[in-house]
Amino acid sequence: IQLTQSPSSLSASVGDRVTIACRASQGISNFLAWYQQKPGKAPNLLIYAASTLESGVPSRFSGSGSGTDFTLTISSLQPEDFATYYCQHLNSYPLTFGGGTKVEIK
Amino acid sequence: EVQLVESGGGLVQPGGSLRLSCAASGFSFSRYWMSWVRQAPGKGLEWVANIKEDGSEKNSVDSVKDRFTISRDNAKNSLYLQMNSLRVEDTAVYYCVRVGRWGNYRYWPDYWGQGILVIVSS
Repeated sequence: IQLTQSPSSLSASVGDRVTIACRASQGISNFLAWYQQKPGKAPNLLIYAASTLESGVPSRFSGSGSGTDFTLTISSLQPEDFATYYCQHLNSYPLTFGGGTKVEIK
Repeated sequence: EVQLVESGGGLVQPGGSLRLSCAASGFSFSRYWMSWVRQAPGKGLEWVANIKEDGSEKNSVDSVKDRFTISRDNAKNSLYLQMNSLRVEDTAVYYCVRVGRWGNYRYWPDYWGQGILVIVSS
């Protein structure tokens, strides 16, 4: 199963609403997670089961979707949110990741 | 506090071998699936392998099958990745990952180590 993220990068300002898409090459129900990775650091789990917010993650992050189309939304971008975001499916082996979306400061 | 500390990385020649270790603490290691995920320099994430709580089930990506072996020692709270026949394209930061968050009939990766760099080069 291939995961295609779009866009691969975006520029946004603090306070903007940001949406990142992840499309699966076949249906994966809601077996999708989202991670945030900052330079030189390990990824952090943000969302699992497509829409469940991980404990401690700010509520401005949300996930939606099922089947083949998924979305990560940041409702009001904060300075600490500038990072790269990855989706990953857990539907079947191999457990592939999307190519990543880099969120940069405009 | 959950801690995952990788060790054993470094520079190795193509065709060589390396064994990565991950020391786990702050949780009941024997109760969790564990994974290895890697990231080539400047590239995205790639799932490598995972192993069931008792070691009875293992899965890996095709590109490392027959070369890499994941294992664990629950008595030592440790996860391992034996890497043989290493290739230049195996150069990456390797992360040890706990698969511990339960949701929608799946366990999800929730804690990651800081990563260890493996460089395969002549």
